[in-house]
Amino acid sequence: DAGITQSPRHKVTETGTPVTLRCHQTENHRYMYWYRQDPGHGLRLIHYSYGVKDTDKGEVSDGYSVSRSKTEDFLLTLESATSSQTSVYFCAIRGAGSDGYTFGSGTRLTVV
Amino acid sequence: DAKTTQPPSMDCAEGRAANLPCNHSTISGNEYVYWYRQIHSQGPQYIIHGLKNNETNEMASLIITEDRKSSTLILPHATLRDTAVYYCIAAANQAGTALIFGKGTTLSVSS
Repeated sequence: DAGITQSPRHKVTETGTPVTLRCHQTENHRYMYWYRQDPGHGLRLIHYSYGVKDTDKGEVSDGYSVSRSKTEDFLLTLESATSSQTSVYFCAIRGAGSDGYTFGSGTRLTVV
Repeated sequence: DAKTTQPPSMDCAEGRAANLPCNHSTISGNEYVYWYRQIHSQGPQYIIHGLKNNETNEMASLIITEDRKSSTLILPHATLRDTAVYYCIAAANQAGTALIFGKGTTLSVSS
């Protein structure tokens, strides 16, 4: 989607290795979110950010950390990847006062 | 956030109206009803939202019952490209609110 990009789009990594996913926006929106999507579970919130250096946990935050040192970038880190973290990860942004969330195209992560 | 209930799947013939129901009987006064859809493995796409009045935009119409316990998303002339998973979400309309997704309704449009 215009204004939000996720990288990488696909990644295969080994169990126990650290992995960082990047969400980059050009909309200068304050709020950013990380979701994961798995078959049978729909989208579940991992972490979110309401400003630079301001983050909070979502429903499934265990095993994940985030950082937001600039408005435009929200990083999701798996400190030591496990097979249960194989999933599709979506980033979303929302501006103050706007109604709709804009989602990125997703990152497909496979942990082997 | 209020929990929503949707049928797991629905079928619709191309060119006909698709009416997707959603129950949200525990919705609170400050929560809006949002609809998103997800086509194949793309990111979810915003469709429409409303508080208590019916809403219409270029994509769809949203009908909310007077007691706000249920709503219906209407795609007036469904096309094959409308085949997707549709999510109904009840959430406060505050920028920091995180959306809580359920399993949605898989709409299959056929010719």
